[in-house]
Amino acid sequence: GAGVSQSPSNKVTEKGKDVELRCDPISGHTALYWYRQSLGQGLEFLIYFQGNSAPDKSGLPSDRFSAERTGGSVSTLTIQRTQQEDSAVYLCASRGGTSVGNEQFFGPGTRLTVL
Amino acid sequence: GQNIDQPTEMTATEGAIVQINCTYQTSGFNGLFWYQQHAGEAPTFLSYNVLDGLEEKGRFSSFLSRSKGYSYLLLKELQMKDSASYLCAPVGYQKVTFGIGTKLQVIP
Repeated sequence: GAGVSQSPSNKVTEKGKDVELRCDPISGHTALYWYRQSLGQGLEFLIYFQGNSAPDKSGLPSDRFSAERTGGSVSTLTIQRTQQEDSAVYLCASRGGTSVGNEQFFGPGTRLTVL
Repeated sequence: GQNIDQPTEMTATEGAIVQINCTYQTSGFNGLFWYQQHAGEAPTFLSYNVLDGLEEKGRFSSFLSRSKGYSYLLLKELQMKDSASYLCAPVGYQKVTFGIGTKLQVIP
């Protein structure tokens, strides 16, 4: 079946603008994760959804970042008033089952550049 | 909390064997993943260890010692396509935390 998809693949925006990033997880996967990866750095956890609820928002770096998930499927990550330090690749991953030890399947990412 | 330590870079020769070590301190430990990430691409799953010992999967093997907070990834018969970053990711209570990764360069 289809894997995790993300859109857009690339986004260039001006400082101060809002951006919305979309993730379509694998059908039937109840868990969904957002990560951020700056150039040459590791994966930084942002937020985790189980169904439509977000039991762990601990990684969101500021109140400019928010995320939602509707219908237990598609998720959007919104960054308001973007700053240059927000430039990174934003990766989404989904996981099937209920065990945190099940494999996460990653999407191709959205490369965000804030000018 | 989570604390992960792995070498930032390694170089090995095509056809050789390389071992990438990872030490961790994880609350509520519940297993450990290894993921591979080629430059500019998303991470892909390699292995998951939840019990102590060695798990072999083709050219790749992964070892875990829970009492020592230690894991390694062993790559045999290295190929040029194995040049990538290898991410150690312990599973804690409700969360997987990814290390910064070890960038492996395979040279002819």
